[in-house]
Amino acid sequence: GQQVMQIPQYQHVQEGEDFTTYCNSSTTLSNIQWYKQRPGGHPVFLIQLVKSGEVKKQKRLTFQFGEAKKNSSLHITATQTTDVGTYFCAGGIQGAQKLVFGQGTRLTINP
Amino acid sequence: DGGITQSPKYLFRKEGQNVTLSCEQNLNHDAMYWYRQDPGQGLRLIYYSQIVNDFQKGDIAEGYSVSREKKESFPLTVTSAQKNPTAFYLCASSPRTLWGEKLFFGSGTQLSVL
Repeated sequence: GQQVMQIPQYQHVQEGEDFTTYCNSSTTLSNIQWYKQRPGGHPVFLIQLVKSGEVKKQKRLTFQFGEAKKNSSLHITATQTTDVGTYFCAGGIQGAQKLVFGQGTRLTINP
Repeated sequence: DGGITQSPKYLFRKEGQNVTLSCEQNLNHDAMYWYRQDPGQGLRLIYYSQIVNDFQKGDIAEGYSVSREKKESFPLTVTSAQKNPTAFYLCASSPRTLWGEKLFFGSGTQLSVL
């Protein structure tokens, strides 16, 4: 079936270090969304990318959508303790009317 | 406050028992969804509804049932046929069922088996 693979599953960094999580799909995606879930909380929408090669920034967060629309990444520059949580990507499967979530990357930070 | 309200926050189910999770939204969204979250896994779609009195199975609908009698409400019943119900259940909504729209999530219900 259609899958969106997300790596790494866990990442532990020192505060101030950078962090990146990657999503890869075996099929072309119509769009990709990113969500953040704080510990004990619920997913909150961060951003959506639609165009091939698209790059969007939100303060210290940079989101990219691959040229082939099969992969995406989220990069956080100079992590802060408020960045702790699990980051999920969710890909819209072209032609399938479906949104498939990656397994998530859990980010922990040593202050 | 506008948003999605899920209740209860914690729920315990006995063997052979059906339990119902509540989800109410006041965002005037047409589409509502139920997702299941297990540790180390992504969110998996159980059911979704695009309009009142209509709903569609998601990827893991077996052992679950839903209803959509009102636009604001989309309750999920976990039946005794669901043999592994322990999970975190998330309700979500979006203005329409276009998979390019962002999802608004409720705070979730943790279901455990006694």
